[in-house]
Amino acid sequence: QVQLVQSGAEVKKPGASVKVSCKASGYSFTTYIMHWVRQAPGQRLEWVGWINAGSGNTKYSQKFQDRVTITRDTSASTAYMELSSLRSEDTAVYYCARYHSNSNFDYWGQGTLVTVSS
Amino acid sequence: EIVLTQSPGTLSLSPGERATLSCRASQSVSSSYLAWYQQKPGQAPRLLIYAASSRATGIPDRFSGSGSGTDFTLTISRLEPEDFAVYYCQQYGDSPLTFGGGTKVEMK
Repeated sequence: QVQLVQSGAEVKKPGASVKVSCKASGYSFTTYIMHWVRQAPGQRLEWVGWINAGSGNTKYSQKFQDRVTITRDTSASTAYMELSSLRSEDTAVYYCARYHSNSNFDYWGQGTLVTVSS
Repeated sequence: EIVLTQSPGTLSLSPGERATLSCRASQSVSSSYLAWYQQKPGQAPRLLIYAASSRATGIPDRFSGSGSGTDFTLTISRLEPEDFAVYYCQQYGDSPLTFGGGTKVEMK
């Protein structure tokens, strides 16, 4: 069965960076695009960007363009989302989600809470 | 960017009742690339509907989606206890992908 398992919660200071992982299993990792979405407390879901796990091509939301890097390790079937220059407004749960061309975000990771606090 | 506005913000209903949720887009959604998700506290969103009206795998037929252009609707024909949650619409036809602010369906 398809599973996306994310790394554990992180606490970071303002200005630091965080790298969240998303390990995929149960399907051919390189056949799909992986998206990252975040949800700040009490806020709507917000799209961060995606990576084509096969080609490595990426696309980012303009809002995060200068601070986010999404990568993947095909040998480990794992996608990564790194966000730099963290500020308090980046406190949120970060999700990875598999994109299926026929049905959109069909599987999601369990979420990773990133807390930015001095 | 396409802004999605969901209404109402909260819907108070009883089990067995019909729920009608609205999602309005600031501009036309390409090829009806509109999805609906259900989210319960502490959980990731769960895909219910994609392409405006297609049910995702394993989703009960009491959930249905309709609409095109700028106006979309999610209908739950008869609420079950497990359906009380927050529902989000999302457009994925244009970049950036955007989500609505959510409708909370709460038990009356």
